[in-house]
Amino acid sequence: QSVLTQPPSVSAAPGQKVTISCSGSSSNIGNNYVSWYQQLPGTAPKLLIYENNKRPSGIPDRFSGSKSGTSATLGITGLQTGDEADYYCGTWDSSLSAGLYVFGTGTKVTVL
Amino acid sequence: QVQLQESGPGLVKPSQTLSLTCTVSGGSISSGSYYWSWIRQPAGKGLEWIGRIYTSGSTNYNPSLKSRVTISVDTSKNQFSLKLSSVTAADTAVYYCASYGSGRSWFDPWGQGTLVTVSS
Repeated sequence: QSVLTQPPSVSAAPGQKVTISCSGSSSNIGNNYVSWYQQLPGTAPKLLIYENNKRPSGIPDRFSGSKSGTSATLGITGLQTGDEADYYCGTWDSSLSAGLYVFGTGTKVTVL
Repeated sequence: QVQLQESGPGLVKPSQTLSLTCTVSGGSISSGSYYWSWIRQPAGKGLEWIGRIYTSGSTNYNPSLKSRVTISVDTSKNQFSLKLSSVTAADTAVYYCASYGSGRSWFDPWGQGTLVTVSS
């Protein structure tokens, strides 16, 4: 049911950079803030980025977010083995008057 | 700092009602302006937002589940609950509770999640 499209997987060597795209539409990303969540294996999702590009306290500046039009991007620099996880974008969809929160399809990050 | 913890049966029979509770600690569920949500994740799949309840008691549900979902709040126990009726194997998932403040658009914190299996 995901209306936000992400690449299934991305990979890079330790120390390198990866970017994860999240593509939506004017009813969701185009008119609402985007958040990003990191889900380490066997754990609950954790907030990584909020309001497109802000990091909660404790999140290293290796993680960054941006938004342009109906797409958003998560960047991870200085890749570490501990970054291996699934990453999800999320935002509200305004196509329904009551509001609907939608998540991306998820991207698995592999550190080679 | 608010923490959330899900609880409830791990096994539910097909056609029955799934019932889960999320206990809020470190703060009052009725203080401030917060939305309390349920989110689920089938094994190996992505996240699906189920619905939310506001501190005032107003609710919004995912249209795909709306006919079967009820979210409620029990302020005396500092808990909010999920009921999903007429379950099938497709409802087997890890269920998370999560919250966010009014005026905000992100979920933080999340509970650790609880696995619910629908099987006879």
